[in-house]
Amino acid sequence: ILNVEQSPQSLHVQEGDSTNFTCSFPSSNFYALHWYRWETAKSPEALFVMTLNGDEKKKGRISATLNTKEGYSYLYIKGSQPEDSATYLCASRPRSGGSYIPTFGRGTSLIVHP
Amino acid sequence: NAGVTQTPKFRVLKTGQSMTLLCAQDMNHEYMYWYRQDPGMGLRLIHYSVGEGTTAKGEVPDGYNVSRLKKQNFLLGLESAAPSQTSVYFCASTNSGLYGYTFGSGTRLTVV
Repeated sequence: ILNVEQSPQSLHVQEGDSTNFTCSFPSSNFYALHWYRWETAKSPEALFVMTLNGDEKKKGRISATLNTKEGYSYLYIKGSQPEDSATYLCASRPRSGGSYIPTFGRGTSLIVHP
Repeated sequence: NAGVTQTPKFRVLKTGQSMTLLCAQDMNHEYMYWYRQDPGMGLRLIHYSVGEGTTAKGEVPDGYNVSRLKKQNFLLGLESAAPSQTSVYFCASTNSGLYGYTFGSGTRLTVV
């Protein structure tokens, strides 16, 4: 995988449903994986920064896991609420290269219907 | 509040006009980036800077210039605006990328 890929592109769920989406990234030269929550007309806000294989992070009803060997991360939302509606963006930060340029996925747009 | 501040928030330009977008951060970050966000395209890197006085081209640099004369400021210039530059522009900064990137609130630019 040369780029960071996110799936699905968009997701519609009902309030109370649990959901998850995937971020795939190049496993070579990996240093850190970031998840962001991006609401319409606002700027991306950091959710998690993950670096170690097997990392699990949790923030309220949102959690994420990381597999650096196979190059993927899952983001889970338990009991989705309408306020969870946003685009969830992941970015991979490479180990080498002095500019720390992250590669962003295109995001998963989540819409939670009341 | 500490963070990244972008000005202006909105702007409408006529084709051929020039303008400068300002990104200011007060976190003493070394690295700063300018992105554009277009529907279905995600964030695309225009230019970036690894420190005061340095700049480099990103993925889509054509039609833009940048300057980093002071560590806290990263300016993005459009010399002769074109309708293809209609977009939302985001600035971001970091010290190492390990703890994530801090984004500004965006500038919505329309070129008519």
